[in-house]
Formats: sequence, C-alpha cells, structure tokens
Amino acid sequence: GAVVSQHPSRVICKSGTSVKIECRSLDFQATTMFWYRQFPKQSLMLMATSNEGSKATYEQGVEKDKFLINHASLTLSTLTVTSAHPEDSSFYICSAQGALNTGELFFGEGSRLTVL
Amino acid sequence: QKEVEQDPGPLSVPEGAIVSLNCTYSNSAFQYFMWYRQYSRKGPELLMYTYSSGNKEDGRFTAQVDKSSKYISLFIRDSQPSDSATYLCAMSLSSNTGKLIFGQGTTLQVKP
Repeated sequence: GAVVSQHPSRVICKSGTSVKIECRSLDFQATTMFWYRQFPKQSLMLMATSNEGSKATYEQGVEKDKFLINHASLTLSTLTVTSAHPEDSSFYICSAQGALNTGELFFGEGSRLTVL
Repeated sequence: QKEVEQDPGPLSVPEGAIVSLNCTYSNSAFQYFMWYRQYSRKGPELLMYTYSSGNKEDGRFTAQVDKSSKYISLFIRDSQPSDSATYLCAMSLSSNTGKLIFGQGTTLQVKP
C-alpha cells in the first residue's frame, strides 16, 4: 500500500515554543492531506483538511492561528503547533489521499507531542 | 450523542476465538464504512472498506453493514495474538472526502 511518513515520531518541548510536524507521501502525490488529533483512549478527531497550494480548511473549534498548516507540494504537508501549551500534548496523525481517489486514506505513523 | 458509538472494551479472547466488533451510528447519510487497526503508538492501517449495506470478506476478516439499523460489524475468525490491537470503525458521507468520523476504538487482546 501507499506509504505516508511523519516526522518527528516523538517530540518534547517547553511551553511557549513552536513545534513543526511533517507529513510526506512517499510513493504517490497527495492532493489532499488531513490532520487528526488523538488523545489517550479517545478517537481520532479531524482538525483540518489541507489542499496543495491553497489554505487549509479547519474544523469547528480548531484554532487556525494555533495550528498552522502548510501544504506547499503534492508530497508534503506540515503542521506547526504555535506557542504550545501542556494541553496541546497529544498524538497528531496525518493522512493522505491520492489524486485517483478510491475513498481510501493512508495514515502516517503519528507524532506524539509532549509539552512540558 | 456521538455520531459514532463504539464500545472501548477492552475485549479479551483466547486464541482461535471468533471476535465480533461493532459500531452504531446516528447519521443515515453515511455511505462508506471502514475498519482500521491501530497498534499502540502507531497510525491506523486500513483493514476493510465497504460501501452501503452488505458483507465483505477478506481472509479472516468479514465486515458487515446494516444501514437500516445503522450498525456495522467486523468479525475476526481464528483470532491470533498478533490481532491484539485497537480497532477503529470509521465512516464518511462520500467517497471523495477524507473527512472520516471515527468511533472511539475497541481494544482487543487475544491471549495465547
């Protein structure tokens, strides 16, 4: 199956700093990428939809200025958590959808963010 | 009420047992139904993908969708310890969207 890579897999940062997480589609071009957030023992919650070359679409309740998303190329989307706080500590997962959509999404391995 | 309800478990079964995992949902507009498997600290991987009502079989896995009851199931036959993971149901309104609504996930443990 298609491969989606996320980096870093784990990151620990101090409160107030910004953290960037990368999501790459390794063997296909992803016209659309999605960013999810998952708290322990909770389901994945969609944060935003990222389309190559255009602004991301955020879900209700997700702060645009807090979670900056950039989808500069067909293989890379980044999520930057700005001025991180302990409550931002979570598991962030991206998924990618190819141009020839079959309805299937391919997920990255996830990035665990811990804000001290 | 959540759009998708899934019993978080945990569910513990002996090796070789038949496992039944279920989700109910409230939005009758959902058309596409998926089951994902997620190992600890990893991203979800797609197991089964079905459209509308009916059954779909793939090896030891069978997915069932009953749209009239708003109920979907995943059956695992001859369960193995390697099946131990969290199983997430997910659904969407159409095929050309990645906006999936996930269930909470059911943690399954298959004991040798």
